[in-house]
Amino acid sequence: DTEVTQTPKHLVMGMTNKKSLKCEQHMGHRAMYWYKQKAKKPPELMFVYSYEKLSINESVPSRFSPECPNSSLLNLHLHALQPEDSALYLCASSRQQASSGNTIYFGEGSWLTVV
Amino acid sequence: GNSVTQMEGPVTLSEEAFLTINCTYTATGYPSLFWYVQYPGEGLQLLLKATKADDKGSNKGFEATYRKETTSFHLEKGSVQVSDSAVYFCASGRDDKIIFGKGTRLHILP
Repeated sequence: DTEVTQTPKHLVMGMTNKKSLKCEQHMGHRAMYWYKQKAKKPPELMFVYSYEKLSINESVPSRFSPECPNSSLLNLHLHALQPEDSALYLCASSRQQASSGNTIYFGEGSWLTVV
Repeated sequence: GNSVTQMEGPVTLSEEAFLTINCTYTATGYPSLFWYVQYPGEGLQLLLKATKADDKGSNKGFEATYRKETTSFHLEKGSVQVSDSAVYFCASGRDDKIIFGKGTRLHILP
């Protein structure tokens, strides 16, 4: 069983909606990540938070807005998305920011459909 | 830059066959290497990992050895089961990032 919990598992939203994806871990990890995965593709890194501070933003459009309220929670706020943003959004965490030896643990993902 | 290359799929095998999925990496320095598995409709699960040269990761009958001389981390299993059908991702971790290969879809026929 994964120890990274994501909600909701499925989300359908219109292009004018505002919604949020939520992620929680209680492993004491200090690094948390958002990945986007399109069908039949590998996950692509979007954001990395280290000690609750944004450390990596992989040139993600501003319609995606991450937030890390505390060391256990990570949100991804969604606004004015496009149909091509439909994908599986994976949250992950690691003991510290990924480096040699640290393993990233993934949640089961949130399936997002933009209509 | 860092990259991971793994064999193209899909790979189709009969139950109890021997499995090899090739993976090679390019990196500066010595990254950690991982295999993740993704079952249909699910997120990624860590299958095994190795953090230094000659380390062997193993789990659920799968094995992979960190080969520095060939920059490889091939995944093997001696006897596959139908339940092993999934997508397998090789990954390299260094300098705050995990880089994934494109994934190999595995189909096991009963």
